[in-house]
This record gives sequence, structure tokens and C-alpha cells, in this order.
Amino acid sequence: TQLLEQSPQFLSIQEGENLTVYCNSSSVFSSLQWYRQEPGEGPVLLVTVVTGGEVKKLKRLTFQFGDARKDSSLHITAAQPGDTGLYLCAGSLPGTYKYIFGTGTRLKVLA
Amino acid sequence: DTAVSQTPKYLVTQMGNDKSIKCEQNLGHDTMYWYKQDSKKFLKIMFSYNNKELIINETVPNRFSPKSPDKAHLNLHINSLELGDSAVYFCASSHTSNAGNTIYFGEGSWLTVV
Repeated sequence: TQLLEQSPQFLSIQEGENLTVYCNSSSVFSSLQWYRQEPGEGPVLLVTVVTGGEVKKLKRLTFQFGDARKDSSLHITAAQPGDTGLYLCAGSLPGTYKYIFGTGTRLKVLA
Repeated sequence: DTAVSQTPKYLVTQMGNDKSIKCEQNLGHDTMYWYKQDSKKFLKIMFSYNNKELIINETVPNRFSPKSPDKAHLNLHINSLELGDSAVYFCASSHTSNAGNTIYFGEGSWLTVV
């Protein structure tokens, strides 16, 4: 049983399009993070959200933490080929040292 | 100035062999992790050490044994390698894991068991 389900699993879009990736769980998390992983490298942190309902923006990327701290979304505006990669959400379970990673979304942006 | 470095990056070995992957971080973090990423890119935690003490030990076969000689190092030793052990193994580190701490990952070690 996966604690964190991401959707869609794969996404191929044209440059300039908008997209949203979802990260859902039935568990409550202390915080939720989004990472991006490129081929041959380790995941790199994009953002951390801690408060329910929190919205953070990073240039063309908008991250939202659900009010109940069980889910999150990542919205990319005007996607560019450089956005191509594997996007992973990760939740921190309350009272533990454990970060649980989501199932991943592979994004490909075509020029 | 690599923050989390792991060696080797690539490892091809035969079934039944014993191998080790080394990891070092120069970030001054007190928590280190080993994650396994399978062919479907699912990243699963295996172990975590905080100040050289084992704090997370997921359901990993006994053939996998982590060792942390000090806070800056967390090595992974694998005995009697099996085909299913083929994966990318990521070492990572963070400050004591409170909500919102960033996990810094190494570049991964690609293990192929033939």
C-alpha cells in the first residue's frame, strides 16, 4: 500500500502548456516536500510546505498543501523543456524521522 | 564541494557476491539515510541513522547491513547479492528531522546484479 499516490504517473505536453500534478494520501503529514529528479542524478528539493492550505510559488511553479495536510498539488504554468524530469512528493510523518516518497510523476515537455 | 558523495557510482557484480557502497556528507547533518529506487522510479527508505544510531529500519532483508562509523558517514554492505537487488541506491542526509527539513541526496549508486 502506497501512502502517497501521485497522478498522473506520466505526462507529455507541448511547450507553453499548463499542468497540475497531484499528491494524495489518507495520512496526515507534518510537512510535504516536492523534489525534482533528472536522469543520472539524485532528487533535488524544490519546496517545502508546512501549514495546511499553504501556497508557495517558485517562478512558474505553484505548490499547495491541502487544508487537512493530507494532499498537495504542483502547478506549472507555461511549461518549458527544461521542466522535464521526475517529480516526487515526500511527506514527513508526524513524530517520526521518516520521509515517505510518492509514486512519482514523469513529465516530458516537448519543444 | 560535493555535499553528499557516494561511491561507487556504478557497480556490476555477480549473484552471491558481497559488496559495499560508501557515503559521506560534509554538510554537518546529524541524520543520514539510505533509499532504494527501483526500475519504476519508486523511492523507498531503507535505513536512517541519527547521530550514529539506527532510527529507521524498514523491512529490508538481513543481507543489507548499514554501518555508521561517525555522523558524516553511512555505509551500506550487501551480502549474497540477488538479481532483485539491482536498483539505484541513494544516500541522503538532513538535520535532525523536524517538519520541513531538506533532505540532500547523493547522485546515486547504480547496482546491477548479473
